[in-house]
Amino acid sequence: NAGVTQTPKFRVLKTGQSMTLLCAQDMNHEYMYWYRQDPGMGLRLIHYSVGEGTTAKGEVPDGYNVSRLKKQNFLLGLESAAPSQTSVYFCASSSGVWEQYFGPGTRLTVT
Amino acid sequence: GENVEQHPSTLSVQEGDSAVIKCTYSDSASNYFPWYKQELGKGPQLIIDIRSNVGEKKDQRIAVTLNKTAKHFSLHITETQPEDSAVYFCAASFSGAGSYQLTFGKGTKLSVIP
Repeated sequence: NAGVTQTPKFRVLKTGQSMTLLCAQDMNHEYMYWYRQDPGMGLRLIHYSVGEGTTAKGEVPDGYNVSRLKKQNFLLGLESAAPSQTSVYFCASSSGVWEQYFGPGTRLTVT
Repeated sequence: GENVEQHPSTLSVQEGDSAVIKCTYSDSASNYFPWYKQELGKGPQLIIDIRSNVGEKKDQRIAVTLNKTAKHFSLHITETQPEDSAVYFCAASFSGAGSYQLTFGKGTKLSVIP
């Protein structure tokens, strides 16, 4: 099993550009999450999903949108990137409300 | 909402010594407390967790203790090795109906000196 995979690994955007980050899991998990990690800030939840077709806001949802059209995939979109969105983005999944398994991360720089 | 404080932010120990990282949480309803290890350039990896119906859990050289009255929990690593060097995060969650969010501490960078 690959576990949780994220595409791409690195990306550089100019202010105002848009992009989509892809997360895929092969563990048949119901729940999926998107976090951002900034120096000295720990991990902060952006959006999450409790099942196919559902999404919900986390702690820092502004400027992001998500979709969960298939159980195994969770997409994070930036419609108009801003320098404040420079961060490392992690996707995670879990079978219930307990253990979350994280992907390797996507390093995004917005100039 | 939940707030998790983690101390210290950096910790250096000699190889073979013990390391202790402490976290406090604010929401008395929280009942799940995982610890994650993050190596440079990688995603966080769950190393141990504890649920509110137990006070201590061990797994080889690592252990976690929970004091629900004081609302704090700690990670203990014994006989530290250079490969234990990483950033460690604690987290807290209320695993009840409609709640699925982990709140993380800001991390502790552990350096094990050979």
